[in-house]
Amino acid sequence: AQSVTQPDIHITVSEGASLELRCNYSYGATPYLFWYVQSPGQGLQLLLKYFSGDTLVQGIKGFEAEFKRSQSSFNLRKPSVHWSDAAEYFCAVVNRDDKIIFGKGTRLHILP
Amino acid sequence: DTEVTQTPKHLVMGMTNKKSLKCEQHMGHRAMYWYKQKAKKPPELMFVYSYEKLSINESVPSRFSPECPNSSLLNLHLHALQPEDSALYLCASSLIRTAGPRGNNEQFFGPGTRLTVL
Repeated sequence: AQSVTQPDIHITVSEGASLELRCNYSYGATPYLFWYVQSPGQGLQLLLKYFSGDTLVQGIKGFEAEFKRSQSSFNLRKPSVHWSDAAEYFCAVVNRDDKIIFGKGTRLHILP
Repeated sequence: DTEVTQTPKHLVMGMTNKKSLKCEQHMGHRAMYWYKQKAKKPPELMFVYSYEKLSINESVPSRFSPECPNSSLLNLHLHALQPEDSALYLCASSLIRTAGPRGNNEQFFGPGTRLTVL
């Protein structure tokens, strides 16, 4: 079955530092992958998505993600985080039933 | 207008109450979704409507009853809920139902209704 693993439950980085959030997927064919962000008390917002083509995907708010088929990974990166980036981040994959399956999420904390 | 609105923001209800959650979008989307999200967990799909018809019911208990009266509005009727049903209920919409590249469309999420069942 298709699944997504986010190995880090919590990540803490200092403001201005670089960020990488890990995501590994399990899928037999070409996966369709997303990163969503959820601020406290809010709904989810799509940061970026990968369907095909260029494996480096640019998203909103200065985020990017790189699809690596050999490692079954779709890690999210940002060169310099801002305090407003503190949130929950969900990696997700579209499964064979055309539904979005979310990972368990990574909570990002920002130190001033 | 790229917004999905949900009312109420918060709802507290007893196990014998009947209440409804409301979701609205005016983006011309023809697919609408209900998700349930428990604390510190990812969203779980409950229902999907496509062109105002229920297309997916993820084996949700009958105490949750969805309704899509028109293409802009989605309701979730609640009756005889249990305390374990307390959660954040998220509504989403997309242009069409397909989540993958055949549709290449994004699901827009509302801010959710925080439900507490006493």
